[in-house]
Amino acid sequence: NAGVTQTPKFQVLKTGQSMTLQCAQDMNHEYMSWYRQDPGMGLRLIHYSVGAGITDQGEVPNGYNVSRSTTEDFPLRLLSAAPSQTSVYFCASSHRGGRGTGELFFGEGSRLTVL
Amino acid sequence: SQQGEEDPQALSIQEGENATMNCSYKTSINNLQWYRQNSGRGLVHLILIRSNEREKHSGRLRVTLDTSKKSSSLLITASRAADTASYFCATDETGGAQKLVFGQGTRLTINP
Repeated sequence: NAGVTQTPKFQVLKTGQSMTLQCAQDMNHEYMSWYRQDPGMGLRLIHYSVGAGITDQGEVPNGYNVSRSTTEDFPLRLLSAAPSQTSVYFCASSHRGGRGTGELFFGEGSRLTVL
Repeated sequence: SQQGEEDPQALSIQEGENATMNCSYKTSINNLQWYRQNSGRGLVHLILIRSNEREKHSGRLRVTLDTSKKSSSLLITASRAADTASYFCATDETGGAQKLVFGQGTRLTINP
């Protein structure tokens, strides 16, 4: 199994450009999420989804858009890139357990630089 | 705002020694999880402890949870150079929303 696959691994954008970070999982997980990781800030939740057609905002959703049309895919869209969005982005998925969020499986990350 | 806060932010010990990292959080939780991140890689799940559990073991890892103090600790025994990594706690808050909130992490360095 591939697990959680993120593309691209590296991307450089100019301010104002838009792009989509792709995330796919092959574990039939109901739950998927996007985090960003900045030095000294740990991981901060951007958006998450508990199933196809259902998405919700995390701690830092502004400037990002998501959709979940299939169980497998959870793309993250940057609408108009800003230098403050320079970060490493991680996609993660989990089986939706009966009580609480289960173990998250992470992708290898997408490093984004906005000039 | 972030739920978990870890202490210390950085820890450097000699190979063979034990490493202890602490995590404090603010609200009621369903469970608390610990993750490891090697430099430049994604996070890897280590252990999950539920709110009704007090201690859990996995190999050289020992996790404790004190819900009255809203704190947890991760102990790595007999450390190895390969344990060098960042360690994060993550809390799953009660209230229905399924989302893990991560702390800022502890950077652990094992010196050979």
